[in-house]
Amino acid sequence: GAVVSQHPSWVICKSGTSVKIECRSLDFQATTMFWYRQFPKQSLMLMATSNEGSKATYEQGVEKDKFLINHASLTLSTLTVTSAHPEDSSFYICSARDSGRFGEQYFGPGTRLTVT
Amino acid sequence: AQKITQTQPGMFVQEKEAVTLDCTYDTSDQSYGLFWYKQPSSGEMIFLIYQGSYDEQNATEGRYSLNFQKARKSANLVISASQLGDSAMYFCAMRGGGTASKLTFGTGTRLQVTL
Repeated sequence: GAVVSQHPSWVICKSGTSVKIECRSLDFQATTMFWYRQFPKQSLMLMATSNEGSKATYEQGVEKDKFLINHASLTLSTLTVTSAHPEDSSFYICSARDSGRFGEQYFGPGTRLTVT
Repeated sequence: AQKITQTQPGMFVQEKEAVTLDCTYDTSDQSYGLFWYKQPSSGEMIFLIYQGSYDEQNATEGRYSLNFQKARKSANLVISASQLGDSAMYFCAMRGGGTASKLTFGTGTRLQVTL
């Protein structure tokens, strides 16, 4: 199956700093990528849909100025958590859609963010 | 609006036995896709199986099969010959309106395989 990588796998940062998370589709081109957030023992919550070359579409309640998404190429999307606060601590997972077959979504391994 | 319901927060199964994880859905779309993902403790979401709303046969992928009952709007996952490595969270998900739409996830079922 297709592979999606995510970097870093975990990060600890101080309150007020910004953190960038990268998501790459390694062996396929993804015109659409998704960013999810997952709290402990809960399901995945879609934050935004990222389309290559255009602005991301954010879900209701997600602050677009806080969670900056850039989809610069067909294989790379980045999520930047700006001015992070402890409540932003969470597990962030990206996903890339394969344009073939039935548009299967492949997920990255996730990034655990801890804001102190 | 789409909704996925997983009513089993946790399930136990003995090794080598089969287990069924329940999933019901609600949508007004005529065309939609149903997915199952496995999330082990490492956190990675692993795609298991897909069923299209117009597929006449139930999907199968190795030890995984999807019991698709369209009239009942259910898409249960059946795992045969359970293995210890199957212990994980399992999420049912749905996408409607064509491949451009987003996935909606259920709340998940935690499966524990015992000796």
